[in-house]
Amino acid sequence: EAQVTQNPRYLITVTGKKLTVTCSQNMNHEYMSWYRQDPGLGLRQIYYSMNVEVTDKGDVPEGYKVSRKEKRNFPLILESPSPNQTSLYFCASTRTGGDTDTQYFGPGTRLTVL
Amino acid sequence: GENVEQHPSTLSVQEGDSAVIKCTYSDSASNYFPWYKQELGKRPQLIIDIRSNVGEKKDQRIAVTLNKTAKHFSLHITETQPEDSAVYFCAASYSGGGADGLTFGKGTHLIIQP
Repeated sequence: EAQVTQNPRYLITVTGKKLTVTCSQNMNHEYMSWYRQDPGLGLRQIYYSMNVEVTDKGDVPEGYKVSRKEKRNFPLILESPSPNQTSLYFCASTRTGGDTDTQYFGPGTRLTVL
Repeated sequence: GENVEQHPSTLSVQEGDSAVIKCTYSDSASNYFPWYKQELGKRPQLIIDIRSNVGEKKDQRIAVTLNKTAKHFSLHITETQPEDSAVYFCAASYSGGGADGLTFGKGTHLIIQP
């Protein structure tokens, strides 16, 4: 089954404790992105990757890191989480070609930073 | 960068009536405009999209129109049903055959009244 997976789905942590949210897709997509969703602010892009070893900042990259060592994986790293990073995070991968650039979202990771 | 404005933030319609959600974008280079539906607790899912070389696209009860000159696009849902209740997001990007990530509007909460 074609899908985007994220782990963990729920995480409660404390300020300053490094964490990684994993994202994996099995559709051989080149493009992957991370978004955070906050009430009233919609979905905001954190980072995106156009291919292996190619990453770029989105609209709200501060406090986050990413890596793209393999095509299927795009982990999101919070080196020193702070309470303002409490949010719902979505990973997405994109099929391109034809008339659409369909973006497939993972199930989301709800992060709480105390 | 791109900025996408979406209105209204909340829309309540009677079952069977039509619903229209409007978005404007700022970057004239944007050429791909998808709409996503997000049900409570779930991931956003693509429902329809349009490219800048097309003025209108329909899929059963859903249609999207695009006015490139005015830089706005709209989602039209006819004969609304209870299962249409959700949050809808518009988005814009310049993909040029690839996908650099989407800029989303802040969402419209559509409520279908029985």
